[in-house]
Amino acid sequence: GAGVSQSPRYKVTKRGQDVALRCDPISGHVSLYWYRQALGQGPEFLTYFNYEAQQDKSGLPNDRFSAERPEGSISTLTIQRTEQRDSAMYRCASSLGQSNQPQHFGDGTRLSIL
Amino acid sequence: GEDVEQSLFLSVREGDSSVINCTYTDSSSTYLYWYKQEPGAGLQLLTYIFSNMDMKQDQRLTVLLNKKDKHLSLRIADTQTGDSAIYFCAETPSGNTGKLIFGQGTTLQVKP
Repeated sequence: GAGVSQSPRYKVTKRGQDVALRCDPISGHVSLYWYRQALGQGPEFLTYFNYEAQQDKSGLPNDRFSAERPEGSISTLTIQRTEQRDSAMYRCASSLGQSNQPQHFGDGTRLSIL
Repeated sequence: GEDVEQSLFLSVREGDSSVINCTYTDSSSTYLYWYKQEPGAGLQLLTYIFSNMDMKQDQRLTVLLNKKDKHLSLRIADTQTGDSAIYFCAETPSGNTGKLIFGQGTTLQVKP
């Protein structure tokens, strides 16, 4: 069966550009999570959704970051006016949705801002 | 506060047992997880344990939880070169927010 799919795998863009990262969760998974992982660190929580509702966005670093999941399936993480410090691996995970169901991760998108 | 600590590096010989340790701060954590990250790959869920359990065994993997000391360990029996990877411990903090708090990861090097 298909796992969590993220695209693109790699994204290189110039500072100041907007980027959109896509996540397609495991079919039937209600909850979807976004994390950011710097080199040599563990993933850090950004935001999560149950169905289409954004339940927690406390981890988004500033208002340049936003996420949506309009139909309760595919999600997009958008970073506006990118800065070099935004360079990182962005990881998406999904789970069945009940509290504490294990999260399954995609391969991530490696974002590099020049 | 929420914090998860791991030692950064462990080196073992093939065939030996590996023990990777983790400490966490949130005593209300309900589940604790171990993930494996291989180079260029995503995070693979290895195993997880509910906080009312002391131990969980799954083939070569044994998870031990000492809730009093907020200490979690992952033991890999008969370690193989394919076990070389970064291992992350993660907790779900209180409040059922759904988010995971990860440690920095332990790099396991297995020497032939």
